[in-house]
Formats: sequence, C-alpha cells, structure tokens
Amino acid sequence: EIVLTQSPATLSLSPGERATLSCRASQTVSQYYLTWYQQKPGQAPRLLIYATSSRATGIPDRFSGSGSGTDFTLTISRLEPEDFAVYYCQQYGSSPKYSFGQGTKLEIK
Amino acid sequence: EVHLVESGGRLARPGGSLRLSCLASGFTFQDYGMSWVRQIPGKGLEWVSGVNWNGGFTGYADSIKGRFTISRDNAKNSLYLQMNSLRAEDTAFYYCVRGWDDLGYFQNWGQGALVTVSS
Repeated sequence: EIVLTQSPATLSLSPGERATLSCRASQTVSQYYLTWYQQKPGQAPRLLIYATSSRATGIPDRFSGSGSGTDFTLTISRLEPEDFAVYYCQQYGSSPKYSFGQGTKLEIK
Repeated sequence: EVHLVESGGRLARPGGSLRLSCLASGFTFQDYGMSWVRQIPGKGLEWVSGVNWNGGFTGYADSIKGRFTISRDNAKNSLYLQMNSLRAEDTAFYYCVRGWDDLGYFQNWGQGALVTVSS
C-alpha cells in the first residue's frame, strides 16, 4: 500500500517568500499520476498541478511542481496573500488506487 | 464553466440509508469518468468511489465496499451515490468530482454535501 507523507505539517511564511512543500511516497509513483490540490477554509479542494508539473487551467505560474520516484515538491515562488491554504498531494495507480497525503497547512507568519 | 452541485446530504441514523445526487453542467458529462471523494470535517481527503463514462465500470474504496453503490444517468447529467448500512465513521463532506481512471486525478469539485451519521 502506497502512503504519501507530506512535510512539513505546517509552514509559516510571509507574503513574497518562497514556499517549498514536500510529498514523499512509500513506493515509486508514476510521474504521470502525482497531483497537487489547494484547499481554502470552507471551500472544496481545487486542482493545482497534475502529472507532477503541469499547471491546471487558470493556475498562476508562481506555482510549480517537480520530482520523480518517491519524492515530489510543490513550489510557490513568491507567496501572495491568497496562497495561504492547505495543500494536498495525491497519487493514482497503486493500491489503494487513489491516496492523498495528510496535507500541509501554509500559514501567514 | 464546469459546475457540480451535490444534494441529499443530511442527518442519518446508524444502519440507515441515504442517496447523494450530483448535477453536472458546463461540460459533456458523458465524456468523463466521475468520482466521489469525502472529507471528515477538519481532516484529510479519501476517494470513495468512481465510475467510467457509461457506468459500465465502477470502483470502490475498501472502507465502503459492499455498502455504497455509485451510478450515473448521462441523460440527466447526474451522478449518484447510494449509501447503505451507514456508520458513524461515514460522517463527512462528500464531494462530487470530475475524473476517475480516465484522468487519475480530480479535475473539478463540487461544493460538497455534508452527511452526518448519528443516533
């Protein structure tokens, strides 16, 4: 069973700073099937990045994804006030067919 | 613009049943696999069930297998989740999402329907 572990659990940064969020898998994940979502309080999750590094429609280019194998990263180059939220990674393919990380909360310092 | 609107969430008793519905608009519904993903308030995300474009193939998480049934009606642009033998641990927001094995990720999300299982 693939387990996704996100770190850190909470990241405290200021607007304008760079954020680096990690998602580590217990087994190899296909780069085609590693996805990132953003969730703001009281809202549904929103697709950010799919296939490790492809931005979803309407996602600003300050968001980027990278990685391979078991280690994946979501980077936000310069934080805007609206970027403070919870971020989840998700894999597809291995048992269980879909699994999510536990989330990283990005909060304003 | 894609819209997914869930309905049917409410308080149910343990052992009871509930049917969630999702009305889709803004895209060609029959072209996409669809899924349900749930989230216990304040907690993480769990994929529950998915169905392919024509309803011919379905998948379920182990936690709900045998109790929940997913279905769709392409003529009505609608997705359903029949939930039987409900347990307290099924209490969660249930999101209707566009995507299943055809994508491997969840492209669009509804606003969620809250299901509370309590006596």
